[in-house]
Amino acid sequence: DTGVSQDPRHKITKRGQNVTFRCDPISEHNRLYWYRQTLGQGPEFLTYFQNEAQLEKSRLLSDRFSAERPKGSFSTLEIQRTEQGDSAMYLCASSFGIVETQYFGPGTRLLVL
Amino acid sequence: AQRVTQPEKLLSVFKGAPVELKCNYSYSGSPELFWYVQYSRQRLQLLLRHISRESIKGFTADLNKGETSFHLKKPFAQEEDSAMYYCALRDDDRGSTLGRLYFGRGTQLTVWP
Repeated sequence: DTGVSQDPRHKITKRGQNVTFRCDPISEHNRLYWYRQTLGQGPEFLTYFQNEAQLEKSRLLSDRFSAERPKGSFSTLEIQRTEQGDSAMYLCASSFGIVETQYFGPGTRLLVL
Repeated sequence: AQRVTQPEKLLSVFKGAPVELKCNYSYSGSPELFWYVQYSRQRLQLLLRHISRESIKGFTADLNKGETSFHLKKPFAQEEDSAMYYCALRDDDRGSTLGRLYFGRGTQLTVWP
C-alpha cells in the first residue's frame, strides 16, 4: 500500500500520560499536514511541514503538543500530559506541493480516560 | 471564524432521486473549494475540486462566487453513494505557503433502496 499510513490506529491512555503518533506520508510528498477531528465535526488543521520545516501551527496546538518531521519523511505528533479534551481522531495528510491534492491517512483514534 | 458551512448534518434520499448537498463558504479572497468523501470504514478521500470542473461518480459541483456556495449535486443517487461528505476550502490567498484546508462539519448522506 503506497498511501499515507498512521500508527497506531487506536490509542487508549489515562489522563496525564504522554502519547506519540506516527505518520508515514506518500514517499515523494514534501508536504505533511496534521488535522484533528472531534465527534460531529470536520477535520481541523493543527500544523504542517514542508520537508523537515514546520511552517505553521494552529492556535489549537497548545504547548502540550509537539510535532516533528526530522528527515522530511515520517512525522510524529506528541501530546504531553493528555487531557480528556484531547480525545479525537488525529489525521495526517500529505501532498506534493501546495496545489496538489492532500491524501489522508486512516487516522489515529485517541481516547483519554 | 466559520469559513465553511454545511447546513445539513443528515440527508436521506431514495435511490434514483436527485441529491444536493449544500456548502456555503465565507472568504474574501480566491479560495479553492473541494468535496471530500468518507465511505464507511474508509479514509477521507478527495471527490472533486472546483478547478478541475470534472464529474466524478456522477457528482458535479459549481462554484458560485455571488452566493459563496459550492453545492454538490447528482441527478440520480445510488445506494453506494451513502457516505459522509465534507466540503473544504483552501486558503490560496497569501501566495500561499499555507495550503491548509478548512472543513465543514460534514453531511451524512443515506441513499435508501
